[in-house]
Amino acid sequence: GAGVSQSPRYKVAKRGQDVALRCDPISGHVSLFWYQQALGQGPEFLTYFQNEAQLDKSGLPSDRFFAERPEGSVSTLKIQRTQQEDSAVYLCASSPRTSGGVETQYFGPGTRLLVL
Amino acid sequence: AQSVTQLGSHVSVSEGALVLLRCNYSSSVPPYLFWYVQYPNQGLQLLLKYTTGATLVKGINGFEAEFKKSETSFHLTKPSAHMSDAAEYFCAVSEPGLRAGNMLTFGGGTRLMVKP
Repeated sequence: GAGVSQSPRYKVAKRGQDVALRCDPISGHVSLFWYQQALGQGPEFLTYFQNEAQLDKSGLPSDRFFAERPEGSVSTLKIQRTQQEDSAVYLCASSPRTSGGVETQYFGPGTRLLVL
Repeated sequence: AQSVTQLGSHVSVSEGALVLLRCNYSSSVPPYLFWYVQYPNQGLQLLLKYTTGATLVKGINGFEAEFKKSETSFHLTKPSAHMSDAAEYFCAVSEPGLRAGNMLTFGGGTRLMVKP
């Protein structure tokens, strides 16, 4: 079946612009994660949803970052007033069930954001 | 807090040679451990994971890893490298039960290069 999809794949923004990044998880997956991957680094956790509930947003770097998943399926990560340090690949992952730990997280291809 | 260290940001091997990618972790509880592979412009793909039970875990594409609690290690190996193995490899850990969703903490990654 279809995997996790993300759009756009590439985004160039001028400093100060707002951007919205979309994630379509695998159908029926309960859990959804956002990660940020800076150039040459490993992904870092941003936030976690269980269905529509945002249960952990401890990784969001500032209040300019906001994520939502209003109907428990598609999620949007919004970054307001983008800064150059926001340039990174933003990865979305989903897994079938809630915490339990054994479920594999399935990753999308990412959105590469470049802030000029 | 959990953390992951991958020794060697770049590893180069000849085709047919042994692949050894090192991963050490710290965790406050018995962890779940993962290896992911990332090809250029693609998302992360799970190679293998350890949750409980047998400490030698076999994954896809001929890779395997051994969980050594005493050494807090989870090194990835493959007996004979193929050109198609050239990619970025990430070790990750989760701490089941401590946080909602069991987010992953990644190491910095190791880029594997395979010489003909």
